[in-house]
Amino acid sequence: QVHLVESGGGVVQPGRSLRLSCAASGFTFSDYGMHWVRQAPGKGLEWVALIWYDGSNKYYADSVKGRFTISRDTSKNTLYLQMNSLRAEDTAVYYCTRDLGDWNLGTSYFDYWGQGTLVTVSS
Amino acid sequence: SYELTQPPSVSVSPGQTARITCSGNALPKKYTYWYQQKSGQAPVVVIYEDSKRPSGIPERFSGSSSGTMATLTISGAQVEDEADYYCFSRDSSGNQGVFGGGTKLTVL
Repeated sequence: QVHLVESGGGVVQPGRSLRLSCAASGFTFSDYGMHWVRQAPGKGLEWVALIWYDGSNKYYADSVKGRFTISRDTSKNTLYLQMNSLRAEDTAVYYCTRDLGDWNLGTSYFDYWGQGTLVTVSS
Repeated sequence: SYELTQPPSVSVSPGQTARITCSGNALPKKYTYWYQQKSGQAPVVVIYEDSKRPSGIPERFSGSSSGTMATLTISGAQVEDEADYYCFSRDSSGNQGVFGGGTKLTVL
């Protein structure tokens, strides 16, 4: 069965960097686009970034553009989120999700989610 | 940046129909998706492409979209349907995903 397991969260000071990982198993990783979605404590969901199945295209929310980088390593079946210049407002649980649809056709949606990893940005 | 607007809360009695709306300027040209999130759990898609229901989702969940508004309808809401519901869509460029602010559904 499909499993997505995030790791790499923790407490980090403002302005510092952190890299999240998401280990995927139970499906052919290279066939699916992948997203990061975050949720601040007690708040709603926020879409963060998408990477296409082949890594050829990446899209970001305005709130993280220029600071975060999404990437994937097919040989390791792992999705990454490099987060630089972290701010207090980046504090959230970060989920990786699998895209069942086709972003080009406008039919993307998230069918599997990891359990999330908590990132806390605080001095 | 693009926004999707949902009511913060909706409350119904068991067996009644719950309707949760989501409004956005790009909705006439973009699909809407609905996610259910119960406390402490990851979200689950309950409606995709405006009105399609994934396998395993009860028939009481339905979706529709007209103009700039999409609606999630739960016909005969059950206590177990209490959760936060989020709509999701894309901005007009199609390059960014956006969630609505979420609606807390209370069934009591």
